[in-house]
Amino acid sequence: DTGVSQNPRHKITKRGQNVTFRCDPISEHNRLYWYRQTLGQGPEFLTYFQNEAQLEKSRLLSDRFSAERPKGSFSTLEIQRTEQGDSAMYLCASSLHSSGNTIYFGEGSWLTVV
Amino acid sequence: RKEVEQDPGPFNVPEGATVAFNCTYSNSASQSFFWYRQDCRKEPKLLMSVYSSGNEDGRFTAQLNRASQYISLLIRDSKLSDSATYLCVVRNTNAGKSTFGDGTTLTVKP
Repeated sequence: DTGVSQNPRHKITKRGQNVTFRCDPISEHNRLYWYRQTLGQGPEFLTYFQNEAQLEKSRLLSDRFSAERPKGSFSTLEIQRTEQGDSAMYLCASSLHSSGNTIYFGEGSWLTVV
Repeated sequence: RKEVEQDPGPFNVPEGATVAFNCTYSNSASQSFFWYRQDCRKEPKLLMSVYSSGNEDGRFTAQLNRASQYISLLIRDSKLSDSATYLCVVRNTNAGKSTFGDGTTLTVKP
């Protein structure tokens, strides 16, 4: 399978713990995106990378969230000191660098904070 | 006001019906437009891009009206398998972030 891969697919964590999600994009894609989605809402943009450079980060993203893409390939999204409001599906997507190019999503990582 | 707005529905239609979804966007600098389909608890998947001249893919027709900042999706001869949430997507900068609407839910009934 050469699509976008995310893991873990499901994570249940206690409030206050840190969690990290990993995303492996489609191999030739240089753009990588993180989105968050809750029930009844569309995906909400968090951040994106072109190669290893983080080009944009949502103002809605608190300091507890950090994303990296150290070698321009896979990316990690870390949430520190999780809160119940962080419970959501975290979606990773990738694309080629061109305005009309499709973004392809991974299956998502479901986070439940208890 | 949200940057991309859609009627949430739900739209409940019988098989074979024609149904249309609308979407409006607020940023006049938007450059690229898409419709994505999302099944329950699954990731969004591209349904079709939307071109200025309008475009068709089988039973699906997408239209763009830049002057009114309005995008539509028409589904003809609805199938049970069309039941899903349809997300309107707008991209404002050159391959930058894509902004999603909250989706319109369609249920096609026998």
